[in-house]
Amino acid sequence: ILNVEQSPQSLHVQEGDSTNFTCSFPSSNFYALHWYRWETAKSPEALFVMTLNGDEKKKGRISATLNTKEGYSYLYIKGSQPEDSATYLCAFFPGNQFYFGTGTSLTVIP
Amino acid sequence: NAGVTQTPKFQVLKTGQSMTLQCAQDMNHEYMSWYRQDPGMGLRLIHYSVGAGITDQGEVPNGYNVSRSTTEDFPLRLLSAAPSQTSVYFCASSYGTGGATNEKLFFGSGTQLSVL
Repeated sequence: ILNVEQSPQSLHVQEGDSTNFTCSFPSSNFYALHWYRWETAKSPEALFVMTLNGDEKKKGRISATLNTKEGYSYLYIKGSQPEDSATYLCAFFPGNQFYFGTGTSLTVIP
Repeated sequence: NAGVTQTPKFQVLKTGQSMTLQCAQDMNHEYMSWYRQDPGMGLRLIHYSVGAGITDQGEVPNGYNVSRSTTEDFPLRLLSAAPSQTSVYFCASSYGTGGATNEKLFFGSGTQLSVL
């Protein structure tokens, strides 16, 4: 069983603030790192799939970076909006199956 | 497109009963998988399949069976339900096995299972 850790566990920010969270994973046997957005009463939806050290991905106000050598990825949200409120999951893929973190719960206060 | 269809949405079982959670996808995905979501824990893999006729165990396979007779369907069977299997179950599929940038997971809507 591999350990994938996400921090912080939860976060409350004001509308307009920028924020970031971390996903830590084993630095060996790296194939891919996924980020998912999970809104309450819905299913997780993919944000990014990252496969190369140094990868940077961007989707609107959300971006992510990847450091496979030290085993971490950052997710950034610029100018948070209430609709960004969700749990953000990362999933580490070492080649055969996915290992999910417990997620960071983001609440954006209007 | 329907995507990943999971049924039922809710189910209550008595200890010892058996049941099957259905999962179907219409995207011609080779990879299908089942997860359970418990409070304070991440999604944990139960079983997965990389193609018809091929299945393998994940992190928490005990008490569950799977089979993959077609590309589209991947049912999860609870053989003799136990209270410890009370959880929310998600089926997920992807084009490949997750190592390439187009191999993101598509999730079903979830099944909330209670075992009394």
